[in-house]
Amino acid sequence: GESVGLHLPTLSVQEGDNSIINCAYSNSASDYFIWYKQESGKGPQFIIDIRSNMDKRQGQRVTVLLNKTVKHLSLQIAATQPGDSAVYFCAETPRSYNTDKLIFGTGTRLQVFP
Amino acid sequence: DTAVSQTPKYLVTQMGNDKSIKCEQNLGHDTMYWYKQDSKKFLKIMFSYNNKELIINETVPNRFSPKSPDKAHLNLHINSLELGDSAVYFCASSQELYTQYFGPGTRLTVL
Repeated sequence: GESVGLHLPTLSVQEGDNSIINCAYSNSASDYFIWYKQESGKGPQFIIDIRSNMDKRQGQRVTVLLNKTVKHLSLQIAATQPGDSAVYFCAETPRSYNTDKLIFGTGTRLQVFP
Repeated sequence: DTAVSQTPKYLVTQMGNDKSIKCEQNLGHDTMYWYKQDSKKFLKIMFSYNNKELIINETVPNRFSPKSPDKAHLNLHINSLELGDSAVYFCASSQELYTQYFGPGTRLTVL
C-alpha cells in the first residue's frame, strides 16, 4: 500500500538549535516531494520541494535531503525560532499517477522552547 | 491579498442537514482541490478539478459533491451530514504540477 510516515510525532527543540524532521515513504516510484508547515488554525504552507533526481535542496534556513536508497526524506531547519513551531508534513507524488495527487504523511509537531 | 479563500471559516450544524463550503482563488491557477483533515491532523485529498473538469475523485461518499462554476471557484456541497463528517476541510489550488497552495480551512462540526 501507499504510505508516507514520520518517525517522531513531536519534536521539542531549544530556540537557536537546529531541527531535523524525518519522513519515510514507501513508494519508490515517487518523483516529487514537498514539505509543508501548518500553524495552528491555518492551512498548510509550502516550505520547500525536491525532485527525485536531486538529493539535496536548500532554501532560506531550510534544507531538504532525499535518500532514495532507503526512501527517506528529511527537513532541516537551522537556528530554529519560536515562529517555526508548527506541524510539519511531508508529501509525495507517485509517478504511477498521471495526475497531481499528493499523498501526505502523518505530520510532526515541532515545539520550540526559549 | 488572499490567494486562496474559503467561507465560512467555522460551520456548526445538525446531523442530516445539507451545507456548502465555498472556495475561491485569485492566483489564476487551473487546478483546485478539496482536502479533509481529521482530528489527528491527517490530510487526505477528496477531489481535484482542472479547468472545471473533475480529475481526481477519491473514495468519498456521494453525499459530497464538488461544483466548479469557473476555474477560480470550487465549492463543496455536503448532503445529509453525519457525525463523521466533522473535520477541517481545506481548499487548495495549483498551476504547476504538484505545488499546491492551501486556503485557511473550514472547521465543520456536526452535532
